[in-house]
Amino acid sequence: IAGITQAPTSQILAAGRRMTLRCTQDMRHNAMYWYRQDLGLGLRLIHYSNTAGTTGKGEVPDGYSVSRANTDDFPLTLASAVPSQTSVYFCASSDGVREANEQFFGPGTRLTVL
Amino acid sequence: GQNIDQPTEMTATEGAIVQINCTYQTSGFNGLFWYQQHAGEAPTFLSYNVLDGLEEKGRFSSFLSRSKGYSYLLLKELQMKDSASYLCAVMDSNYQLIWGAGTKLIIKP
Repeated sequence: IAGITQAPTSQILAAGRRMTLRCTQDMRHNAMYWYRQDLGLGLRLIHYSNTAGTTGKGEVPDGYSVSRANTDDFPLTLASAVPSQTSVYFCASSDGVREANEQFFGPGTRLTVL
Repeated sequence: GQNIDQPTEMTATEGAIVQINCTYQTSGFNGLFWYQQHAGEAPTFLSYNVLDGLEEKGRFSSFLSRSKGYSYLLLKELQMKDSASYLCAVMDSNYQLIWGAGTKLIIKP
């Protein structure tokens, strides 16, 4: 693989179910991020990780959790999905966290919660 | 609060020039990014400005005025493949990106 992969590509989920979105990068980037993108709104940061073993909360963390056990993987878990979590989820990574470090994005996961 | 404003939609003609504006109010400033996002795809990096002035990269240029909280993306010699959304994002004092809602650019033949 090259770059960032996400799985699944899309998912329809019943409310109340638990779901984990997977994200893997092979660029050895230190920082990783989870965003959600909703129509008419900018990308909103859910959680981030500046380096393996550390995580932090973004703008909209409620209802989501993450872990960063190693450099490559950054899964996002919805413990009990609700319809307001219907969105497109993007995982991203960057070499560093400061200034000019551009973020590289995965292809996204389209999640529908019914 | 933090705010990034950009027009919702713009229309331009193939071969022409278009300027997409972005104004921002953020807690701190560590640079401004422009990304391109085609429908149904991931955002891809276009440019980064941290100092005032114009950065040129082929058909695309990006301008920044920190004192005015203002940036623009200039696209020249428009091609049909430039039809996409253009996202403005500012890196705040915590080195997190604050994103605008994006400008959908429609190119007509």
